[in-house]
Amino acid sequence: DVKVTQSSRYLVKRTGEKVFLECVQDMDHENMFWYRQDPGLGLRLIYFSYDVKMKEKGDIPEGYSVSREKKERFSLILESASTNQTSMYLCATRGTVNNSPLHFGNGTRLTVT
Amino acid sequence: SQQGEEDPQALSIQEGENATMNCSYKTSINNLQWYRQNSGRGLVHLILIRSNEREKHSGRLRVTLDTSKKSSSLLITASRAADTASYFCAPTSHYGGATNKLIFGTGTLLAVQP
Repeated sequence: DVKVTQSSRYLVKRTGEKVFLECVQDMDHENMFWYRQDPGLGLRLIYFSYDVKMKEKGDIPEGYSVSREKKERFSLILESASTNQTSMYLCATRGTVNNSPLHFGNGTRLTVT
Repeated sequence: SQQGEEDPQALSIQEGENATMNCSYKTSINNLQWYRQNSGRGLVHLILIRSNEREKHSGRLRVTLDTSKKSSSLLITASRAADTASYFCAPTSHYGGATNKLIFGTGTLLAVQP
């Protein structure tokens, strides 16, 4: 079974802080994704990566950056956290077979005060 | 990539009843996937139906696909309280291969009353 581990379930940060959300997978998947989920807005794609050191913007990349130095780890960085970044953040991975499903972590609920 | 739209937004049924959720999309697809999300958790993949399939079963789940109407439905038979969750569809377009982004809508929130 694929295991996708997000380092924190709950996180509380102050406005202006630099925040790192970590995601680690154990299945050697090339593709990794970061989503945020907000009530009434569903899941929105922030960034994704299809290989080490490769990244592409999703639909809402503003205010975020990512790092993929190793294949198993995909980090989401909030350079200067703001209250509108309070959300549930979900990491997901996917293999290279065309119809392969996404495998999600359990999410990090971030509160920015 | 395209977003599916789930309908209804919320559904409340009694244990033992069947639950039907619908998904509509706009352009042609390669396949369509359904996911479940328990409260406060990540999404879990349930079933995938390819564009050349019309119906697929997995346990108590039955998925249909009508490409002429650009719609899919997920039926959960003999529902249980443990089926209480949000359900999402994710249509996947023909282009992009394995890196094809999956775009999710707001889902259907199913509540199964014991």
